[in-house]
Amino acid sequence: GQNIDQPTEMTATEGAIVQINCTYQTSGFNGLFWYQQHAGEAPTFLSYNVLDGLEEKGRFSSFLSRSKGYSYLLLKELQMKDSASYLCAVRSSSGGYNKLIFGAGTRLAVHP
Amino acid sequence: DTEVTQTPKHLVMGMTNKKSLKCEQHMGHRAMYWYKQKAKKPPELMFVYSYEKLSINESVPSRFSPECPNSSLLNLHLHALQPEDSALYLCASSLGQWETQYFGPGTRLLVL
Repeated sequence: GQNIDQPTEMTATEGAIVQINCTYQTSGFNGLFWYQQHAGEAPTFLSYNVLDGLEEKGRFSSFLSRSKGYSYLLLKELQMKDSASYLCAVRSSSGGYNKLIFGAGTRLAVHP
Repeated sequence: DTEVTQTPKHLVMGMTNKKSLKCEQHMGHRAMYWYKQKAKKPPELMFVYSYEKLSINESVPSRFSPECPNSSLLNLHLHALQPEDSALYLCASSLGQWETQYFGPGTRLLVL
């Protein structure tokens, strides 16, 4: 089966660093995405990993370990506007086609 | 043009109505997607079109009928919906099925 786990909620302080973890068990793994979604809005693409290691994009970094079925999203210098849900999504290639399977999301609350 | 647009933003319909959701992108993307998202849940894939052909139907009830008139447009025709179909309907597109998906703002649907 397909299973993606991430914490339901996290809180952090403005200016701090927060790490959001994601573990997955999927068949036909072919890449992992992180999206940000503010309440009532569409998901916005943040990062993509297909090989092991760290990808850095400004204040956001994402890490992948395929052997461990594990990824994390690191947010630095937190701002109030970073309060949102963060969705981990695995691209799975099975049955001859690709599809994105989303985790339930982690709601991050940033406090002053 | 670097965005996916969706109309309408909000829609209220009765169970006997027929309505359509529209999605448009002018990024030259050849894969387009419909997702359904309930409150505090992740997006769930409904349909995938690749090169204007339906490639994935995730066992969606026939009261939802997708249509891809050309490479820039994607419609979702709705007929005889149920109250439990109330949700945020998201359209996404990607250059190909192996590429990053970019989401539109969504249509918030309420079925009475």
